[in-house]
Amino acid sequence: GESVGLHLPTLSVQEGDNSIINCAYSNSASDYFIWYKQESGKGPQFIIDIRSNMDKRQGQRVTVLLNKTVKHLSLQIAATQPGDSAVYFCAENSGNTPLVFGKGTRLSVIA
Amino acid sequence: EPEVTQTPSHQVTQMGQEVILRCVPISNHLYFYWYRQILGQKVEFLVSFYNNEISEKSEIFDDQFSVERPDGSNFTLKIRSTKLEDSAMYFCASIGTWGLYGYTFGSGTRLTVV
Repeated sequence: GESVGLHLPTLSVQEGDNSIINCAYSNSASDYFIWYKQESGKGPQFIIDIRSNMDKRQGQRVTVLLNKTVKHLSLQIAATQPGDSAVYFCAENSGNTPLVFGKGTRLSVIA
Repeated sequence: EPEVTQTPSHQVTQMGQEVILRCVPISNHLYFYWYRQILGQKVEFLVSFYNNEISEKSEIFDDQFSVERPDGSNFTLKIRSTKLEDSAMYFCASIGTWGLYGYTFGSGTRLTVV
């Protein structure tokens, strides 16, 4: 079946460096994508979203890039901080279907 | 900032027992969801609920599961006869309007079946 997946299960970065977390999706009908951050013992926390009519969207220190040609989504975190350490999930849906989550990437920030 | 509230935060139950997980969605939200996350795995969709009825459910959501919105504010997930493999984090989520923003998730209930 169609699914959302991740290239890298773990990522370690030095504090202050930029982080890039990648996600591949297979449902070409997906038109809405979200990145969530999950800290230990907590629920997924919305970070940023993007619709399929865009290829880039920026927030505070975060940027999401969408490449529909290769069905690839990435999350860039600028000047990574220790508080960014968490598991990051991409999720997608199309129309009114429920969100489908990827497996997650653990980001570890080294001070 | 509005929150989705879940209780209890941790529930331990004997195999075969019934459990009810409770959620209070954001007050003006209309669409409600239950997801679960087995330890170390991805977040999986269970069921969506709108206008007092189930709008969609996954294969995981079998006859042992049910949802209810008993009083206009609470949204519950019942597992009638728990199995060991039901042990997971269960997350409630809500959204006000389709696709306007990402779902708002609660902090989850950790269910441990022994």
